[in-house]
Amino acid sequence: DAGVIQSPRHEVTEMGQEVTLRCKPISGHNSLFWYRQTMMRGLELLIYFNNNVPIDDSGMPEDRFSAKMPNASFSTLKIQPSEPRDSAVYFCASLKRSSGNTIYFGEGSWLTVV
Amino acid sequence: QQQVKQSPQSLIVQKGGISIINCAYENTAFDYFPWYQQFPGKGPALLIAIRPDVSEKKEGRFTISFNKSAKQFSLHIMDSQPGDSATYFCAASASGGYQKVTFGTGTKLQVIP
Repeated sequence: DAGVIQSPRHEVTEMGQEVTLRCKPISGHNSLFWYRQTMMRGLELLIYFNNNVPIDDSGMPEDRFSAKMPNASFSTLKIQPSEPRDSAVYFCASLKRSSGNTIYFGEGSWLTVV
Repeated sequence: QQQVKQSPQSLIVQKGGISIINCAYENTAFDYFPWYQQFPGKGPALLIAIRPDVSEKKEGRFTISFNKSAKQFSLHIMDSQPGDSATYFCAASASGGYQKVTFGTGTKLQVIP
């Protein structure tokens, strides 16, 4: 299996620009997570989908952040407008509910907002 | 009640020594306790996990000790090696519902030669 695939791996953008991060979960997995990792705050859960439906978005920091999962094999996390404090590593992860609780992470999207 | 508290924040261990990382939880509904290992530039990956029906699980040099009454669990790395240098996260989840996984804050381990 190819694992969770994220793109882009690295992005540098200017403040105010729109950023779109993409994720392809492992085939057959029915839960998808977006996490943000920073030195200060560690690993934070932003939003969680189950069967393409958002279940918990309480971790989304503010209205500038939005996430979609139009189908079982694709999700996006969008930041509009971006701010320097959004600079972080964003991880997508997926899980197959019927086969245990192991979450599989992608390699992350490293975002720098200047 | 959803928190998982992890300590220490960072740890330096001599090669060959024992690394110990501790976690504590509040939610008694948690019934799955994994540890994830993260190398620089990579995503976290499952290292070892335990369920509360056993008090200890060992895989090679890695052991989880679980104390259900104290609501604590710990990771022991025996004969620590420089290649073990990474950030370690404990986590917890409950089987019911949508299996949201709660992570600890992470421990950065450095094993020095």
